[in-house]
Amino acid sequence: TQLLEQSPQFLSIQEGENLTVYCNSSSVFSSLQWYRQEPGEGPVLLVTVVTGGEVKKLKRLTFQFGDARKDSSLHITAAQPGDTGLYLCAGSLWGNEKLTFGTGTRLTIIP
Amino acid sequence: KAGVTQTPRYLIKTRGQQVTLSCSPISGHRSVSWYQQTPGQGLQFLFEYFSETQRNKGNFPGRFSGRQFSNSRSEMNVSTLELGDSALYLCASSFTGTENTEAFFGQGTRLTVV
Repeated sequence: TQLLEQSPQFLSIQEGENLTVYCNSSSVFSSLQWYRQEPGEGPVLLVTVVTGGEVKKLKRLTFQFGDARKDSSLHITAAQPGDTGLYLCAGSLWGNEKLTFGTGTRLTIIP
Repeated sequence: KAGVTQTPRYLIKTRGQQVTLSCSPISGHRSVSWYQQTPGQGLQFLFEYFSETQRNKGNFPGRFSGRQFSNSRSEMNVSTLELGDSALYLCASSFTGTENTEAFFGQGTRLTVV
């Protein structure tokens, strides 16, 4: 059983469309991070959210941490081919240094 | 500032052999974590080292081991390789590895066991 479940697992949309990716858990996290990984490369950190209800924006990307600190979402506006990649959420449980990764969402933006 | 460096990038080994992978963290970072990534299982945590001590361990067999040196560089070793060990092995470094510390990843070592 995965601690962090991401949905959808695969998503393929046209350039210019909007999309939302979800990261859900039954556990409470002290912080949650989002990464993007391209083929053959390591994940690259996009954002860290630490406060329940927090919303962070990074250009066309909007990240939200749930009020109960159990879930998070990533919304992309006007998707571009450069957004293609594997999106991973990762969380730290209270008092635990280990970073637990979600199952991942593989996003493909079609030009 | 230089990023996380993993060597080698690619490796092909035969079943039964052993392998050692290396990770140099970002300067000043004291925590190094190792992950195994496969298409079927995603990113799985192997272990984490902080100040030369293993602080956390995932659910992998004893064939997987690691160590950290005084300069924070880390190595992981896999003995008696099996076909299922074929994967991308990723190293991540962070300043302290505490709850809210961000992790920075290397490009990974692609291990193929034949």
